[in-house]
Amino acid sequence: QKEVEQDPGPLSVPEGAIVSLNCTYSNSAFQYFMWYRQYSRKGPELLMYTYSSGNKEDGRFTAQVDKSSKYISLFIRDSQPSDSATYLCAMKDTDKLIFGTGTRLQVFP
Amino acid sequence: GAVVSQHPSRVICKSGTSVKIECRSLDFQATTMFWYRQFPKQSLMLMATSNEGSKATYEQGVEKDKFLINHASLTLSTLTVTSAHPEDSSFYICSARVLAADLYNEQFFGPGTRLTVL
Repeated sequence: QKEVEQDPGPLSVPEGAIVSLNCTYSNSAFQYFMWYRQYSRKGPELLMYTYSSGNKEDGRFTAQVDKSSKYISLFIRDSQPSDSATYLCAMKDTDKLIFGTGTRLQVFP
Repeated sequence: GAVVSQHPSRVICKSGTSVKIECRSLDFQATTMFWYRQFPKQSLMLMATSNEGSKATYEQGVEKDKFLINHASLTLSTLTVTSAHPEDSSFYICSARVLAADLYNEQFFGPGTRLTVL
């Protein structure tokens, strides 16, 4: 079993839709939970991070962490074609980042 | 913001040759740099952690004699793929970490280097 599981998609939605991206994990020691966006052939860029359980909102993006279920989510409201990218969840306990496989999202006009 | 560059962005080489990839933090000093490898439709896999002035720490299964890492300064780390073979073809990404008071210690990622070995 992988430490971090993420549905690779692809996920195709119309512009303006609400997008839900999810990851599950097995290591209860993880304390920091991140979401990265990666455009094709580029390095990942950090979107949001959350420490421990709870919600965090930043503009159109909301990150949720449920440590009891070992489940994290990223919601994108009013999705735009420019949101089309691969979204990777990542988490860590001490030093190392453990990434999910990434979910490819396509938002069509 | 913190910017990390990589050079080259793309390299094609013949089997058996060695390839050097540079990772630079442009506007900050990075005490730690990380090297990742990403195969198509797979997640980023950490290869090694490099601290300035000391030997790199390699992840299990990564050959240290094949993937040579040098972190000679607080702004530059290099990864050399020695005697490259087609199975080494991948997307190599570095990241640099700023040691701050926040325990979070964010990593900033470079744009990646696509290596193709013929």
